[in-house]
Amino acid sequence: DVKVTQSSRYLVKRTGEKVFLECVQDMDHENMFWYRQDPGLGLRLIYFSYDVKMKEKGDIPEGYSVSREKKERFSLILESASTNQTSMYLCASSILAGTYEQYFGPGTRLTVT
Amino acid sequence: AQSVTQLDSHVSVSEGTPVLLRCNYSSSYSPSLFWYVQHPNKGLQLLLKYTSAATLVKGINGFEAEFKKSETSFHLTKPSAHMSDAAEYFCVVIMNTGFQKLVFGTGTRLLVSP
Repeated sequence: DVKVTQSSRYLVKRTGEKVFLECVQDMDHENMFWYRQDPGLGLRLIYFSYDVKMKEKGDIPEGYSVSREKKERFSLILESASTNQTSMYLCASSILAGTYEQYFGPGTRLTVT
Repeated sequence: AQSVTQLDSHVSVSEGTPVLLRCNYSSSYSPSLFWYVQHPNKGLQLLLKYTSAATLVKGINGFEAEFKKSETSFHLTKPSAHMSDAAEYFCVVIMNTGFQKLVFGTGTRLLVSP
């Protein structure tokens, strides 16, 4: 089974802190994604990566950056956390081509105070 | 641009009664569509997918969905709800870009009462 793990289930940070969210997948997938999930808005794509050191902006990249130094690991970085970044963050991975199914991690609920 | 609209934010059913979760899509070409389910405190799990093969798609846990081009719909159904079906359900369309961009609906929360 594909397994996507995220470093924390719950995280509380203060405004202005630098925040790292880590995601690891164990199926050698080329593509990895970061979404945020907010009530009534569904999931919105922040960034994705289709290869090591490659990244593309999604729909809401402002205030975020990403890093992919190894194929299995994709990090989301909040350079200076703000209260409007309080949300559920979901990581996903998929193979490069085919049926487009994405496999999701359990999510990190981030609260910025 | 491709998009999906989930017509109900909440649906309540009694255990043993049918489930209908509605989804309409907008696409300039024949789309690929998914339904994902998210149980409380869990990640999203693929329920079923339509990729231009049979229009009636069967998924896990007794769910199925029918692609109706004339109605631009992809409604999710189950003949008999179970308590364990209580979750949030997302209708998803794949955008025709150079990579796999999923466009999510806003979700429907299914409540199942005894």
